Amino acid sequence: SQQGEEDPQALSIQEGENATMNCSYKTSINNLQWYRQNSGRGLVHLILIRSNEREKHSGRLRVTLDTSKKSSSLLITASRAADTASYFCATSPNDAGTPLVFGKGTRLSVIA
Amino acid sequence: DTEVTQTPKHLVMGMTNKKSLKCEQHMGHRAMYWYKQKAKKPPELMFVYSYEKLSINESVPSRFSPECPNSSLLNLHLHALQPEDSALYLCASSQGLDRFYGYTFGSGTRLTVV
Repeated sequence: SQQGEEDPQALSIQEGENATMNCSYKTSINNLQWYRQNSGRGLVHLILIRSNEREKHSGRLRVTLDTSKKSSSLLITASRAADTASYFCATSPNDAGTPLVFGKGTRLSVIA
Repeated sequence: DTEVTQTPKHLVMGMTNKKSLKCEQHMGHRAMYWYKQKAKKPPELMFVYSYEKLSINESVPSRFSPECPNSSLLNLHLHALQPEDSALYLCASSQGLDRFYGYTFGSGTRLTVV
């Protein structure tokens, strides 16, 4: 069952703008991960943030985690047309041996 | 080698056919997963293997039969599928079922059942 809920479902921006996607979840987690999926392809792991971390950076990506609000955000700065993809958050529950639970995803379109 | 390789990339099969999807990784990962993904939907977990043993079956119909012959290989055998089974089938692996790791996904097999 899906736990994460991304917001917005779809986002269209101009190249060079920043894109922000949000994810909310329901139960306690060990970590939260973000994945990118280009159309019809496999998912690519972008970043993992642990429950005791509040912010993490990787290149043009910035992820925040607020466990009190059970929410996370993914910021892509200076977006490029190549960033056009679907982005999924996935939560790793505290229960050992429980697989990732994927959210519904945000479809990002970056217009050149 | 940091990839998960899935074959074939595309498959069209009739409802009476038997076919198999193949997934291979050489990263030493001990957990492997099958997901099904419909258009504009998130991946749905089907099966999880840990140390070559089936760990989770998400109530998947018996027309889907997973197999893990060794630690590097994962198969999904298909038989008597329905048109609604048409989807992108994704294989993934991780270092273990321990929750600290991200997953590495293959590019998927686009399955069409006619």
